[in-house]
Amino acid sequence: EVLLVESGGGLIQPGGSLRLSCAASGLTFSEADMSWVRQAPGKGLEWVSAIQTPRRGLARFDTYYADSVKGRFVISRDNSKNTLYLQMNSVRDEDTAIYYCATHAWDSWGRGTLVIVSS
Amino acid sequence: EVVLTQSPATLSLSPGERATLSCRASQSLSTTYLAWYQQKPGQAPRLLIDAATNRATGIPARFSGSGSGTDFTLTISSLQPEDSAVYYCQQRTYWPLTFGGGTKVEIK
Repeated sequence: EVLLVESGGGLIQPGGSLRLSCAASGLTFSEADMSWVRQAPGKGLEWVSAIQTPRRGLARFDTYYADSVKGRFVISRDNSKNTLYLQMNSVRDEDTAIYYCATHAWDSWGRGTLVIVSS
Repeated sequence: EVVLTQSPATLSLSPGERATLSCRASQSLSTTYLAWYQQKPGQAPRLLIDAATNRATGIPARFSGSGSGTDFTLTISSLQPEDSAVYYCQQRTYWPLTFGGGTKVEIK
């Protein structure tokens, strides 16, 4: 069974930085494309960022971002630790949300970690 | 960015009734990359349907998906009390990935 556990959320002031983690087990993490999805309080789902495993023998991980976070958030992964990260910089009030990680089979999601941006 | 418009926003039906949820895309999508999710309060989303028509593992047969191009439908053939939830469609044909705004299904 795939298990994803997010951590690192909390209260942060506008303009600050925070790093979220997603620890994965029960899958071959190095072969799994992954995403972060968030949900603001009382709102719908918003895809945030994705990281793909190398394609066609290339060494790099392709990364993708929603326009709302591009230039502020950075997705990364450490395959030796089976962990996905989301570095959140220059956070804004509108980044307040539960942040979920998910595999790109999309049938495995974590329980989420809550980020509150407030002064 | 592909905009997914879900309708209706809220659906209130009695147990045993049929629920039809719509997801309309702003441009044509590959059926391979259209999914439906169920989300209950306090829980993560749960994959119901992938590739527009394929039920995910463990999903009851009363849930079915259909559609192509820009119009997709999730049907719950006979509503059960435990189907009370918000349902979202998602497209993965184009970056950025996008979700619809959701349809809330209430059981009378």
